[in-house]
Amino acid sequence: AQSVTQPDIHITVSEGASLELRCNYSYGATPYLFWYVQSPGQGLQLLLKYFSGDTLVQGIKGFEAEFKRSQSSFNLRKPSVHWSDAAEYFCAGTNTGNQFYFGTGTSLTVIP
Amino acid sequence: NAGVTQTPKFRILKIGQSMTLQCTQDMNHNYMYWYRQDPGMGLKLIYYSVGAGITDKGEVPNGYNVSRSTTEDFPLRLELAAPSQTSVYFCASSSGQGVRNTIYFGEGSWLTVV
Repeated sequence: AQSVTQPDIHITVSEGASLELRCNYSYGATPYLFWYVQSPGQGLQLLLKYFSGDTLVQGIKGFEAEFKRSQSSFNLRKPSVHWSDAAEYFCAGTNTGNQFYFGTGTSLTVIP
Repeated sequence: NAGVTQTPKFRILKIGQSMTLQCTQDMNHNYMYWYRQDPGMGLKLIYYSVGAGITDKGEVPNGYNVSRSTTEDFPLRLELAAPSQTSVYFCASSSGQGVRNTIYFGEGSWLTVV
């Protein structure tokens, strides 16, 4: 079955520290993968997406993600976290474009 | 830039009542979706549509109905509200020409069934 898994429910980092949020996928073929961010009371905003080609994808707000086929992973990273990055982050995947499968989300807290 | 607009933003329903969540997009997107988000559960697809007049079930369609009479609108109907339908609902759209298109989300509708 197709699925996307985010192993970490909640992560706390200090402002200025680096960040890595994990995402693992389970698909028959290489899926198309996405990272979304959701601020409190808001909808989801696309951070970045991977379709093919370069496995290191750059997104908005200084985020990047690396697709690793051997590990079935698509982890989100940021070199230096800002307080405004505190939010819920969702990894998502699809094969067809009709149905997107979302992970359960990782809640990020940033300590001043 | 309106994008995807959902109404209402907040609603409290009594068990057995019916209501419709409205969703409108002004981007001329063919694909539209309804998701529900439960705490710690991520987003689950309820229904989706690939164009006017065409709808299909997602992962969790029970208790819901949809229609797509126009490209712009994709209302979600709850016929007999149940406490299990307490959730945050997100409408979304994409141009749908393959998976390379970004999905745009509305700001969500918070529904409580009591």
